[in-house]
Order: sequence, then C-alpha cells, then structure tokens
Amino acid sequence: IAGITQAPTSQILAAGRRMTLRCTQDMRHNAMYWYRQDLGLGLRLIHYSNTAGTTGKGEVPDGYSVSRANTDDFPLTLASAVPSQTSVYFCASSNGLAGDNEQFFGPGTRLTVL
Amino acid sequence: AQSVSQHNHHVILSEAASLELGCNYSYGGTVNLFWYVQYPGQHLQLLLKYFSGDPLVKGIKGFEAEFIKSKFSFNLRKPSVQWSDTAEYFCAVNQGNQFYFGTGTSLTVIP
Repeated sequence: IAGITQAPTSQILAAGRRMTLRCTQDMRHNAMYWYRQDLGLGLRLIHYSNTAGTTGKGEVPDGYSVSRANTDDFPLTLASAVPSQTSVYFCASSNGLAGDNEQFFGPGTRLTVL
Repeated sequence: AQSVSQHNHHVILSEAASLELGCNYSYGGTVNLFWYVQYPGQHLQLLLKYFSGDPLVKGIKGFEAEFIKSKFSFNLRKPSVQWSDTAEYFCAVNQGNQFYFGTGTSLTVIP
C-alpha cells in the first residue's frame, strides 16, 4: 500500500506557466487536502474536498484550483504561476472531513517559480 | 480566522531531559486539536489528537498533551526525550471545515 503519492517530487517553473501537481491516494479516503508549507508560516490549507465531486476553499486559495473527479485523485493547478507560489506543497487525505479524523500526508512537491 | 501560535521555534535538549512545547489558538468554540511530527526525510504523521473527553491525551512514543480550554492551549509534553525524537513538531486546530497549523517547532536532542 503506497498511501499518498505526489508528483512531481520537485519542479522549477517559469512565471506565467501553468502547472498541475498530482496527488493520488489508495486508502479510499473521502476527504483530501492541499497545503503549502513556507518557512516561518507553517502549513496553510489551500483547498479541500469532502468527497468526490465537491471542493472547498481553505485559508489561501487564490491562484490555485482543484478538481475531484474520483475518490483517489486530487490535482492542484496553478493557472499562471507567480514567484510567491514558490513553496513545498503537501497533499493529505482522511477518512472524513470531520476534525477527529487523522490526516495522512504525502511526501510533498517542492515547487520553485522563477 | 483562527490562528495557531507555537512559541518555541527551535528547542535543543539533552537526552533524558523533559520536553514541553507550547501551542495556543486564537478563537474559542468547538475545536479539534492535533500534534503532528515530521522526522527528517519523512512525511508528517499524527502524534496525538483531542476532540472530546479527557483533556489529557496520550499519543505515540510517550508523548502527551493537555487541552486547557480557558487558556486556549494544547501543550505537548514528554517526560524524557530521546535522540530519535529529533524532528519538527506542528500543532494544528480544526474548526468547521478548516484546518490551521502552527509554524512548527524544531526539536534537536543531543545524545
């Protein structure tokens, strides 16, 4: 069982380019999340999804979009990347959106926007 | 919006020393509280959580945390740290559909 996989592991991207970060889980979890981790700011929630077909905005959603076509996949898209989106991105999943459910995290994607 | 404060950014301890890491959140109401740990080169993983009941919760590897509602705090403790506890520790709060993480505390345990 792989748990959560993210791709790519790292990426350097020119500003203005479109980029999709992939996230796949094999635990059949209903809820999935995207966070960004920045030095001095901790992890901040970008978007979440309670179940396939539904998504919601987190604390810092601007400049990002997500989709949840099925249970396993939760891609994060940067339509036109900017340098302030340089960060480490973590995908997570849990058995439900309720806060008493443990979140399982992926290994992260390190994104640099030049 | 909710905010989570971790007052200790970097802590250095010798093995067998006691540990307490502070965590405070800003808004009351119904919250669920977590501590996550990230060991070097590994994923974040759950140490412990509180969502109801006994405010003193015990987690893995001898860690515990106490929820004090009146102080909006959820401090993490361990009576005797080991070298293998060297890691980054994150406090997190869930309120509604939102999850808020603190900035993290880097713990270095010296053998």
